[in-house]
Amino acid sequence: KAGVTQTPRYLIKTRGQQVTLSCSPISGHRSVSWYQQTPGQGLQFLFEYFSETQRNKGNFPGRFSGRQFSNSRSEMNVSTLELGDSALYLCASSLVANTEAFFGQGTRLTVV
Amino acid sequence: QKEVEQNSGPLSVPEGAIASLNCTYSDRVSQSFFWYRQYSGKSPELIMSIYSNGDKEDGRFTAQLNKASQYVSLLIRDSQPSDSATYLCAVDYTNAGKSTFGDGTTLTVKP
Repeated sequence: KAGVTQTPRYLIKTRGQQVTLSCSPISGHRSVSWYQQTPGQGLQFLFEYFSETQRNKGNFPGRFSGRQFSNSRSEMNVSTLELGDSALYLCASSLVANTEAFFGQGTRLTVV
Repeated sequence: QKEVEQNSGPLSVPEGAIASLNCTYSDRVSQSFFWYRQYSGKSPELIMSIYSNGDKEDGRFTAQLNKASQYVSLLIRDSQPSDSATYLCAVDYTNAGKSTFGDGTTLTVKP
């Protein structure tokens, strides 16, 4: 059974640019959550999608957005990148909310 | 006060010993509790989930949940150097649709 796949694995962008990250959940999983992980802030919740609907959003500015497609694949977009957006972005999938979640390998974003 | 708090660590134990990791959470209706292990440079890996009061054992790992006292713990028996990692406690609140993570406790098992 394939795990959670995130692409790309590594990304270098310059300030002001935008970026789109992709996440393919485990087959059959309908809930996809996104997290940002930095050394100083730990794992911070960005948003959660279920059946193409965003059900929860964390305390991040509107530059961070996402969506989920009918096949449960999800994308997150960050516009007008700032240096502070440099982080490991993790996607986690679960059957439904509040159940075991499985993380992808993450996308390491560096903003220069 | 953070919603999920873990021992600040780092925690160091000798090989073969029992490692005890603790996590407390704030007073809300909490439904699901998880322990993740994260090796340096890697993503979190789920190792245990627990949903009701009491103990849950899986191999060398035992999760303990006490909702009245609002804590969840993880015991690792016969610790091995390969257990050296950061352990993250996560709590899912009812209808929240998200996990709130603690800052993690770094465990080092010395041969």
